[in-house]
Amino acid sequence: GAGVSQSPSNKVTEKGKDVELRCDPISGHTALYWYRQSLGQGLEFLIYFQGNSAPDKSGLPSDRFSAERTGGSVSTLTIQRTQQEDSAVYLCASSLASDSIIRFAGHRYHNEQFFGPGTRLTVL
Amino acid sequence: ELKVEQNPLFLSMQEGKNYTIYCNYSTTSDRLYWYRQDPGKSLESLFVLLSNGAVKQEGRLMASLDTKARLSTLHITAAVHDLSATYFCAPSGGSQGNLIFGKGTKLSVKP
Repeated sequence: GAGVSQSPSNKVTEKGKDVELRCDPISGHTALYWYRQSLGQGLEFLIYFQGNSAPDKSGLPSDRFSAERTGGSVSTLTIQRTQQEDSAVYLCASSLASDSIIRFAGHRYHNEQFFGPGTRLTVL
Repeated sequence: ELKVEQNPLFLSMQEGKNYTIYCNYSTTSDRLYWYRQDPGKSLESLFVLLSNGAVKQEGRLMASLDTKARLSTLHITAAVHDLSATYFCAPSGGSQGNLIFGKGTKLSVKP
């Protein structure tokens, strides 16, 4: 596709409900990142996928958060039993490869992350 | 752990004036990005700076990087209203190749 797409663009939910946020990265991009932007915390990193590899979940704010990436392409971020503090804009970004892969291969070139439009989540 | 400080956080300028936004970061990073965000919109990449002394210019914006001082600047020349937005600096340095963002500088250019 032309860019990173995310859906839905807006989601209003009631406290305690589960939500699923979707990210469709740029075709051919193997690295996919989820970030969260909130008034209190600014822009914070959540989780990263490299291809089909299992992600490091240590950046997720709680065990109510989970993410998966099917077929090395589309990713879904799921928040269970939503709380009001989960209200934020959830941004997805993709890049050709991860920085760690670039360093390992001995190449050094800039590996830009392209951001999607975000999903604005409001938990009432 | 990489920490990023931007200042100022809020900047109100008159059109035609010059100003500089500063971005300090705490540990070594081999690249630094500047992004622009308009209200309700996503992040738009402005510049990537890859090496010490790197300078990039686009229109009225110029970004520079001093890796020894761990400092990047975004200089605005003869500001115009269209530059009103929030600007973020983001060194690469997260453990998973993720970017670490500053809190952003909200720029408002008034006629």
